[in-house]
Amino acid sequence: DTAVSQTPKYLVTQMGNDKSIKCEQNLGHDTMYWYKQDSKKFLKIMFSYNNKELIINETVPNRFSPKSPDKAHLNLHINSLELGDSAVYFCASSQWDRSNTEAFFGQGTRLTVV
Amino acid sequence: KNQVEQSPQSLIILEGKNCTLQCNYTVSPFSNLRWYKQDTGRGPVSLTIMTFSENTKSNGRYTATLDADTKQSSLHITASQLSDSASYICVVGASGGSYIPTFGRGTSLIVHP
Repeated sequence: DTAVSQTPKYLVTQMGNDKSIKCEQNLGHDTMYWYKQDSKKFLKIMFSYNNKELIINETVPNRFSPKSPDKAHLNLHINSLELGDSAVYFCASSQWDRSNTEAFFGQGTRLTVV
Repeated sequence: KNQVEQSPQSLIILEGKNCTLQCNYTVSPFSNLRWYKQDTGRGPVSLTIMTFSENTKSNGRYTATLDADTKQSSLHITASQLSDSASYICVVGASGGSYIPTFGRGTSLIVHP
């Protein structure tokens, strides 16, 4: 059983389109995250939800809107896609514990904007 | 500003050889340090975690060390295998306030036969 699953794995779309990436975790964790990994492999946190509540919102364009319908899901919707949005997006989950948090990552969604 | 610097950026070694990856951080107040392994096309997977009081931890052929005084960590890989080819990411967690881990840029390791 996949612990953190993202769909789709690959997404190719044109500039200006709106797209969504879905994420689900079956680990019973109460916290979920979205990370962006650029072409230089740098992982940067975008958002974090704890018990469906937004707790981390880094400097991300407001074209990106996360939605958490329940603790097991955190979807990422992107409006008006731009070329610079091309990257690999990782969903992750963890149990909220400030001293010892291990994040479990999904396999990533490779987004290519053309 | 919290930062994590890793070196080298990339490393190529022959199968069977040992190697050491470095991580320097300025995260404060320090909570824990984790090494992740990221295979190509996959998400990162945790290898080890160390807190302030721990200075070494092993996971099979992987041994991580931590010097909290100098704010340095290393990941030593013994008798490397082709499957060790991956990106190794150092992640440091801070305590107090909201918990936002700081990621290093990773070291890309290639093991050749």
